Amino acid sequence: QSALTQPASVSGSPGQSITFSCTGTSSDIGTYDSVSWYQQYPGKAPKVMIYDVSKRPSGVSSRFSGSKSGNTASLTIAGLQAEDEADYYCCAYAGSTYVFGIGTKVTVL
Amino acid sequence: QVELVQSGAEVKKPGASVKVSCKASGFTFSSYYIHWVRQAPGQGLEWMGAIRPSGDGTTYAQNFQGRVIMTRDTSTSTAYMDVSSLRSDDTAVYFCTREFPGTGYFDSWGQGTLITVSS
Repeated sequence: QSALTQPASVSGSPGQSITFSCTGTSSDIGTYDSVSWYQQYPGKAPKVMIYDVSKRPSGVSSRFSGSKSGNTASLTIAGLQAEDEADYYCCAYAGSTYVFGIGTKVTVL
Repeated sequence: QVELVQSGAEVKKPGASVKVSCKASGFTFSSYYIHWVRQAPGQGLEWMGAIRPSGDGTTYAQNFQGRVIMTRDTSTSTAYMDVSSLRSDDTAVYFCTREFPGTGYFDSWGQGTLITVSS
């Protein structure tokens, strides 16, 4: 199972919205709606931001939203804030196994 | 509160084995899948496998089949992962994580255990 494809880096100014993608195949994202997104700060454990493509766990800011079309999922961060600067990983269920994306580094300019 | 506490960092020689533990508290351990994820230095997250709540079944990523064994002890609420035939590219931080029931996402994570493989 190959890693899901994500852009290596995305940047934006405070207050802007950014959207970045996570591309898989018909064996994972294209078939199952079990796509989640994780935020990770250096040296820390990941934290779930979105699950089941577009659902937010309790306590996660409404500025984070997710969507999916075909074999590609996307994460949008609205009203970018300095604290959003981190690495973001998508993760998809692939029928008894899971696969992560290669990660996207979000930089707040 | 929900907590997963992992064992400490270790240094191993190539060809050796290592066993990482993950002690759970704050929830009914026997009701949750436990997954293991690793992260090599400066690299992304890699799913390794999972063990069923009852401990009677495991699923491993193809890359780790035959070299990784996941177990759990319900009496002590502890999950374990054994990695054998260690290579230098196994140097990574290993995380245990809990799957939120019926959803397929990981809602609580251990602090990570650094395993360094070096001669």
